[in-house]
Amino acid sequence: DAKTTQPNSMESNEEEPVHLPCNHSTISGTDYIHWYRQLPSQGPEYVIHGLTSNVNNRMASLAIAEDRKSSTLILHRATLRDAAVYYCILREGTYKYIFGTGTRLKVLA
Amino acid sequence: EAQVTQNPRYLITVTGKKLTVTCSQNMNHEYMSWYRQDPGLGLRQIYYSMNVEVTDKGDVPEGYKVSRKEKRNFPLILESPSPNQTSLYFCASSLISGTAQNNEQFFGPGTRLTVL
Repeated sequence: DAKTTQPNSMESNEEEPVHLPCNHSTISGTDYIHWYRQLPSQGPEYVIHGLTSNVNNRMASLAIAEDRKSSTLILHRATLRDAAVYYCILREGTYKYIFGTGTRLKVLA
Repeated sequence: EAQVTQNPRYLITVTGKKLTVTCSQNMNHEYMSWYRQDPGLGLRQIYYSMNVEVTDKGDVPEGYKVSRKEKRNFPLILESPSPNQTSLYFCASSLISGTAQNNEQFFGPGTRLTVL
């Protein structure tokens, strides 16, 4: 199975951009890259996903390296409500999900 | 309200006493899945189901059983729980789309299980 590697924790100041990295050097050509986040005492929630091209949505942007061995989740302006654990996940085929151990993001006021 | 529900939310039991954690979704999703979350290990997939009567193993299926007799329900069964199954369990569901390839998963609130 492919695997993802993320830093354990990161800090950001409020209103500043945050770049959360993820390495997935064993990714296969058909694996999608998903990001979920988990707020305290809640289940994970979807943030964004992509395959090869960079992606934007209302929550974040996803930058995928050309060789697909790494990706970066970008929060454009961090708020206190963005403090959470962010998971980089590979979706193998349609059904199997491989979660990383996540990055705990702390946002400083 | 569209949601995934799990019951019970908290459970303390003893080794060897069979238990079932229920999961139900009201979004008509084909795909359902169970995860366990342990400190330092993140979430790990236990079992998943692509539709009624279709299930498959995830990364950590040992000691667990599942069934999918109805589309909305996907119970997790521990026939003989052991202390190493003490964990936080999450159920999730999603559509299976052929082209959109999103399959955003909606997670339940979690079930905290302690096996003594």
